[in-house]
Amino acid sequence: AQSVSQHNHHVILSEAASLELGCNYSYGGTVNLFWYVQYPGQHLQLLLKYFSGDPLVKGIKGFEAEFIKSKFSFNLRKPSVQWSDTAEYFCAVNQAAGNKLTFGGGTRVLVKP
Amino acid sequence: EAGVVQSPRYKIIEKKQPVAFWCNPISGHNTLYWYLQNLGQGPELLIRYENEEAVDDSQLPKDRFSAERLKGVDSTLKIQPAELGDSAVYLCASSLSGEQFFGPGTRLTVL
Repeated sequence: AQSVSQHNHHVILSEAASLELGCNYSYGGTVNLFWYVQYPGQHLQLLLKYFSGDPLVKGIKGFEAEFIKSKFSFNLRKPSVQWSDTAEYFCAVNQAAGNKLTFGGGTRVLVKP
Repeated sequence: EAGVVQSPRYKIIEKKQPVAFWCNPISGHNTLYWYLQNLGQGPELLIRYENEEAVDDSQLPKDRFSAERLKGVDSTLKIQPAELGDSAVYLCASSLSGEQFFGPGTRLTVL
């Protein structure tokens, strides 16, 4: 069974700092990869996704993620965070041939103004 | 375009009572999912529907949980009887191909 691990449960940083959230998965086959964000009081929203092609994926709000197949990783980055990036971030993976999405445990990010 | 709609948004019940959650997916999305999200954790799949058919219900605790999607559109998830440990957020999502769109969830508190 596939699993997804996010290394940090909580991250606290100041505005303008750079952010990187780690995500590793266990499935060895072809995968689709996602990062979802959940702002306080809101529902899960897709930040970005990788299906194939360029392993460096750009998403909304200045976020990007890099798929490194050899490391089974899909880390999320943002060069300069804003207070409005305070949210919980979830990495998710599904097998390319299937629809079962497996989520990581999430990382709570607090950006101090 | 309307997103995934769920109701109620919040529900408080006493243990051993029944409870039901309703989901209306995005129009045209043939795949519907129910997830359970415990506090501080990521969502976990309970059941997935392709049109009317439940194609993956391996994680659904069938002794107390049931779900239906009779006309292949909206869906209901039921718990009977509810237990204290069922307190969580129940998320519904839908997809057409690949990307899943989530509803706001129903936060259930069992007292």
